[in-house]
Formats: sequence, C-alpha cells, structure tokens
Amino acid sequence: DQQVKQNSPSLSVQEGRISILNCDYTNSMFDYFLWYKKYPAEGPTFLISISSIKDKNEDGRFTVFLNKSAKHLSLHIVPSQPGDSAVYFCAADTGNQFYFGTGTSLTVIP
Amino acid sequence: EAQVTQNPRYLITVTGKKLTVTCSQNMNHEYMSWYRQDPGLGLRQIYYSMNVEVTDKGDVPEGYKVSRKEKRNFPLILESPSPNQTSLYFCASSLGTSGRTDTQYFGPGTRLTVL
Repeated sequence: DQQVKQNSPSLSVQEGRISILNCDYTNSMFDYFLWYKKYPAEGPTFLISISSIKDKNEDGRFTVFLNKSAKHLSLHIVPSQPGDSAVYFCAADTGNQFYFGTGTSLTVIP
Repeated sequence: EAQVTQNPRYLITVTGKKLTVTCSQNMNHEYMSWYRQDPGLGLRQIYYSMNVEVTDKGDVPEGYKVSRKEKRNFPLILESPSPNQTSLYFCASSLGTSGRTDTQYFGPGTRLTVL
C-alpha cells in the first residue's frame, strides 16, 4: 500500500508562474520529508527537505510546506523556469527507510 | 568528483540467469540503498544498509540479495531473475552518521530487462 502519494501525475505551468506540487502521506510516524527532482536518464537529485517540527522551509525559488494535521506537503516553485521541467518525487524518511511517492511530471512552458 | 556509480547501465538477460549489479560510492557514506522505479509505482526501496555488514529489507526485497562487505560497495544480486524484475534500478548513499538517512545521492540507474 502506497504510504506516500502524489495524485497528480503531471502538471503544466507557464514560465514565470508558480508551480505547486502536492504530496500526501498516511503514516503519522513520518517525521522528515524530502523532495527530489529527476531528469530523464539520470538518478534523482535532492532538492529540499523539511522536518516535522517545522511547517515551512525555503531555499531560493523552492519552498516546501508541511501540514501535519492534514498529512500533506507541497512544493512551491516561484518563478518557474523551463529548466525546472522534470519529474518531482516527494519522500518520507523514517530514519532508516525511505518511502517515495509516484512522482509528478512538471512541464514549464516558455 | 563525489559520485555513486552503477554497472552495468543497461542489461538484458533471460529468466533464471544469475546477475549482479554493482554499486560504489566514493563519499565515505555509511548508508546505502537500492530502489526500483516502475511506472505508476514510483521508487520503491529494495534493501538498505546502515553500515558495513548491516543490511535490512526495504519494501520489496523478494527475489533480491545484497551484501555490504566494504563501506564503498553495495552490490545487488538477483539469483534467479524473473520478468517481473524488469525495471529501472537505482543505488543511493547518504552520510547516515546521525542515525538519519537524510539526503541521499543517487547513481545514474541500471535498466534491467529480463526476458
């Protein structure tokens, strides 16, 4: 059973606008979350993370929000750039195991 | 250059023929892990290793074996591959010294096809 879910397989956004990628999880024991970005023919690369003691973490154009009561996190990319076009995975880290979502393919249209 | 390497990158084999996919990291990381990526299922963890000689099952360990005899290497072994193991495989490593897996660095992937 999928413990981390990304319900939108794809998302298209105009360059310069905001991209919002969503992720839901079922296990309330998860206490650390990460977002990875993946280009074709490459391995995933780390983007940003958030601990459950926080509700927001920013790194440049990327912000991750965590709503523990809703078991929901989101990744905001502002402004979106064509180079952001990739598959984005959210993941939950239990300390020794990782659980990944199914991924959202983001296309940023120039 | 800090990296995780996997070999081979592409492999086509037949059912039942034992194979090994190698994984090596040069970052002195404690934690290493194997994943498979399948359409609609995302990345699923096969096995992980918190340190040398310590390995444990992930979400989908059936049909796979691993070993961690040295810190830098973490080979994935398929003793008797079957077509349902056709997938894209990723090896990853992270510092893991605090007891957290934290940020993982992924290899480039191995595309395995079992006929």
